[in-house]
Amino acid sequence: AQSVTQPDIHITVSEGASLELRCNYSYGATPYLFWYVQSPGQGLQLLLKYFSGDTLVQGIKGFEAEFKRSQSSFNLRKPSVHWSDAAEYFCAVGAGNNDMRFGAGTRLTVKP
Amino acid sequence: GAGVSQTPSNKVTEKGKYVELRCDPISGHTALYWYRQSLGQGPEFLIYFQGTGAADDSGLPNDRFFAVRPEGSVSTLKIQRTERGDSAVYLCASSFSPGNSYEQYFGPGTRLTVT
Repeated sequence: AQSVTQPDIHITVSEGASLELRCNYSYGATPYLFWYVQSPGQGLQLLLKYFSGDTLVQGIKGFEAEFKRSQSSFNLRKPSVHWSDAAEYFCAVGAGNNDMRFGAGTRLTVKP
Repeated sequence: GAGVSQTPSNKVTEKGKYVELRCDPISGHTALYWYRQSLGQGPEFLIYFQGTGAADDSGLPNDRFFAVRPEGSVSTLKIQRTERGDSAVYLCASSFSPGNSYEQYFGPGTRLTVT
């Protein structure tokens, strides 16, 4: 079965700085990959997803992620972080059916 | 349009009691999912409905957990003889159709506390 590892439990960046959140997956075939954001009291919101094709995917709110098969990674990036980006970020992997596995999440704190 | 709604937003119950958690999916979405999110963890799949039937209940932890979706819309997650370990946020999601190709839209969750 597929699985996801998010190595960083908590990351702090200054507002305006760049951001990279790491995600490593385990799956034998080409995975379906997702990044979700969860703000306090809010439901999970999809930022972006990768199914096939161009390995660099653009999402909402200025986020992007790159699928690297050789490294089994799908890292999330943003060139300039805003205070409103402070939230919990989850990477998830799907096998193409309905089984989606989430990582434990990375909490992002943004310093003014 | 309206998103996925869940009621109640918070539920506190005593150990051994029975609870029901409700999910109203987005209108027209045929697939409905339940997840459990424990503190410091990502969501964990519990069960998925396609229409009225439970297509995959492999994530339900034991037979104290049961879910229904009798008319193919609203779903209720039922937990019998609650235990302190059941304390978590229960998330519901719906999608237009089943499969990872279709975006799952999540509700805000129900925070269950078993005392």
